[in-house]
Amino acid sequence: GIQVEQSPPDLILQEGANSTLRCNFSDSVNNLQWFHQNPWGQLINLFYIPSGTKQNGRLSATTVATERYSLLYISSSQTTDSGVYFCAVGGDMRFGAGTRLTVKP
Amino acid sequence: NAGVTQTPKFQVLKTGQSMTLQCAQDMNHEYMSWYRQDPGMGLRLIHYSVGAGITDQGEVPNGYNVSRSTTEDFPLRLLSAAPSQTSVYFCATWSKTGNEQFFGPGTRLTVL
Repeated sequence: GIQVEQSPPDLILQEGANSTLRCNFSDSVNNLQWFHQNPWGQLINLFYIPSGTKQNGRLSATTVATERYSLLYISSSQTTDSGVYFCAVGGDMRFGAGTRLTVKP
Repeated sequence: NAGVTQTPKFQVLKTGQSMTLQCAQDMNHEYMSWYRQDPGMGLRLIHYSVGAGITDQGEVPNGYNVSRSTTEDFPLRLLSAAPSQTSVYFCATWSKTGNEQFFGPGTRLTVL
């Protein structure tokens, strides 16, 4: 199956800082999604982005399908952004191991 | 509009016991799926369904059964629980036209 690697595994920021999370995948995909798992375990879909760029408030994502990677940008981070960010790819939704983000006040 | 609901929230089983994890949705989505999440890992797909009466295996189907008799419900059955099945289980739904997945709150299962 498709291999999915996320980096960095852990990220600690001060409130207000910007960050970039990366997702590399091993094969062509027609489905890529980014999720946020909050500290209480709830999973929220952030983006469905198999290619191109999307923005939603302080978050944006870019997928370069030909080069098999996707980036999630978080600007002006807030403490409520803390949690684990996952990308998932492919028809059978292969998840990466996630990036654990901690935003300090 | 409850979205995706899962019951129970927590469950402790002994090795060899059977049980059913319930998942229900009121979003009228065609697709439903079950995942497990182990500590420090992403989710892994167990089984999924593209409509009533249709199910298929995901990445880690062994030890689990599913059925889909209605659009709303997608129960996951553990036939003979094993300690390796200790995990957090998530149910998700999505529309065939929408792609975005919506997750339930999860069931934390411990098998002793």
